[in-house]
Amino acid sequence: KQEVTQIPAALSVPEGENLVLNCSFTDSAIYNLQWFRQDPGKGLTSLLLIQSSQREQTSGRLNASLDKSSGRSTLYIAASQPGDSATYLCAGAAQGGSEKLVFGKGTKLTVNP
Amino acid sequence: GAGVSQTPSNKVTEKEKYVELRCDPISGHTALYWYRQSLGQGPEFLIYFQGTGAADDSGLPNDRFFAVRPEGSVSTLKIQRTERGDSAVYLCASSLIHSTDTQYFGPGTRLTVL
Repeated sequence: KQEVTQIPAALSVPEGENLVLNCSFTDSAIYNLQWFRQDPGKGLTSLLLIQSSQREQTSGRLNASLDKSSGRSTLYIAASQPGDSATYLCAGAAQGGSEKLVFGKGTKLTVNP
Repeated sequence: GAGVSQTPSNKVTEKEKYVELRCDPISGHTALYWYRQSLGQGPEFLIYFQGTGAADDSGLPNDRFFAVRPEGSVSTLKIQRTERGDSAVYLCASSLIHSTDTQYFGPGTRLTVL
């Protein structure tokens, strides 16, 4: 059974700092991977999707990479801002399996002004 | 354009009651997913539709849970004889064809069973 671990569980940084969030899968056969953002009491907002043929994706200050051999992904946030404060979730779809996404518990990020 | 919408946003019910949760996916999206999220946890998969058919219902916890998508668009998640342990946020997502496409999530329905 696929399990997803996100480290750290919570992170508090001063504004302007660069930071890295980590995600690892027990089964490295990941078909694709998505990073999401969730604000309190809200649904999930998709940030980046890394498809099976890709190794990384970039959007603005965000960069996500996927190492399929180890089953690890990182989300890099550059020049963090208070508006980046949210919970960040990673989720993967298993290769050769169902279309479902398996989620980690998330990293709660607080960016202090 | 319009995103995924879910109704109601909040539902409070008593034990042993029947509830229906509705999801309106993004127009043209053939894939639709239901997830359940408990406090402090990531979403957990319930069921996946491709068109009108349930392609994977392995996440439904028991036979009190059922979902339909009769016309390949709107979906309804039905829960019979609700239990306190069913309390959670129920999230719906849709994608253009399947999971290799971005999944777009709705705001969720917060279900509270008293």
